[in-house]
Amino acid sequence: GAVVSQHPSWVICKSGTSVKIECRSLDFQATTMFWYRQFPKQSLMLMATSNEGSKATYEQGVEKDKFLINHASLTLSTLTVTSAHPEDSSFYICSARVGQLNTEAFFGQGTRLTVV
Amino acid sequence: LAKTTQPISMDSYEGQEVNITCSHNNIATNDYITWYQQFPSQGPRFIIQGYKTKVTNEVASLFIPADRKSSTLSLPRVSLSDTAVYYCLVGRDSGGYQKVTFGTGTKLQVIP
Repeated sequence: GAVVSQHPSWVICKSGTSVKIECRSLDFQATTMFWYRQFPKQSLMLMATSNEGSKATYEQGVEKDKFLINHASLTLSTLTVTSAHPEDSSFYICSARVGQLNTEAFFGQGTRLTVV
Repeated sequence: LAKTTQPISMDSYEGQEVNITCSHNNIATNDYITWYQQFPSQGPRFIIQGYKTKVTNEVASLFIPADRKSSTLSLPRVSLSDTAVYYCLVGRDSGGYQKVTFGTGTKLQVIP
């Protein structure tokens, strides 16, 4: 299947700093990528939909100024957590779809963010 | 997006067949049903997708009744490595793409 790679796999940062997470589709072009957040023992929560060349669409309750998403190419989307705080500590996962209609989504391996 | 309801957890012994049922009463005509598997600290992995009747691949089968208001994921002869959370998703196209929104999932524990 198609491969989606996230980097880094884990990161620890100090409170108040910003962290960038990359999501790459390695063997296909992804016009749309999705960003999720998952707290321990909870389900994945969709944060935003990232479209190549345009502004991301954020889900209700997700602060767009705090979670900056850039989808500059068909193979790369980035999520920047700005001014991170301990409550932002979570597992962040991206996914991308091949094609458009009702096809499976491929997920990255996730990024564990710990803010201290 | 159609809401899904699954059992929160299930236990099964190794070698048994496991059936996980998902309810999706407000599924729309153009919705597909997709199941994903997630291990701890990993991204979800696609298992199977279907629209109606029965779909089978090398790892699972998916049974969908005629009214499509529910679906059952069947895992044959589970092993310890099948211990994971299984998510049932029902999606709807919007602007040419389908947002994949996860429900609570079913935590399957396979017992030796």
